[in-house]
Amino acid sequence: AQKVTQAQTEISVVEKEDVTLDCVYETRDTTYYLFWYKQPPSGELVFLIRRNSFDEQNEISGRYSWNFQKSTSSFNFTITASQVVDSAVYFCALRGPGGGADGLTFGKGTHLIIQP
Amino acid sequence: ETGVTQSPTHLIKTRGQQVTLRCSSQSGHNTVSWYQQALGQGPQFIFQYYREEENGRGNFPPRFSGLQFPNYSSELNVNALELDDSALYLCASSLEWGKALSRQETQYFGPGTRLLVL
Repeated sequence: AQKVTQAQTEISVVEKEDVTLDCVYETRDTTYYLFWYKQPPSGELVFLIRRNSFDEQNEISGRYSWNFQKSTSSFNFTITASQVVDSAVYFCALRGPGGGADGLTFGKGTHLIIQP
Repeated sequence: ETGVTQSPTHLIKTRGQQVTLRCSSQSGHNTVSWYQQALGQGPQFIFQYYREEENGRGNFPPRFSGLQFPNYSSELNVNALELDDSALYLCASSLEWGKALSRQETQYFGPGTRLLVL
């Protein structure tokens, strides 16, 4: 069975601080796919990044960066110089290799509050 | 904007009733997945349709059913509504998600339908 754990229920920081959201996953698959989504108060899930288990390079996109550590089954997300518009609930999600048509397994989310 | 639309945006029903939610997928996408998100929780996978056939299902009872049409739009039907069915229902579209995942495939979500069961 697959499982995604986001241990941080809520994080509150002041604008311009850096913040890291933790994600730990469990899977028996050797090939799998990891995702981060952002959910603002409107409710729509906004896709941020996808990482394949066989791509071990970390990624930076503007103020966002992702640290994939296969050895510790973690896929952490860092926002540098946070802004108020970053306030949202962030979800980490996992999917197996497919073929059996499985959906995404989501964590419970981390509510990020950026205070001005 | 993802190009995925859902209707209605909000809905209030009473226990025991039936409800139909609708989703239009992004142009060209042939796979639609449905998720239920209870308050304060992450979304949970209900089922998935690929080219008009259900090809994957999560841990939901048979009273949750669906359809996918030739234009790849989809419906989620819930019979005999229970209070615990109150949630945000999200649909997501993708291309070829039902098959082995390509290197770049991703699910794109609609804005959701908020269902309240009284």
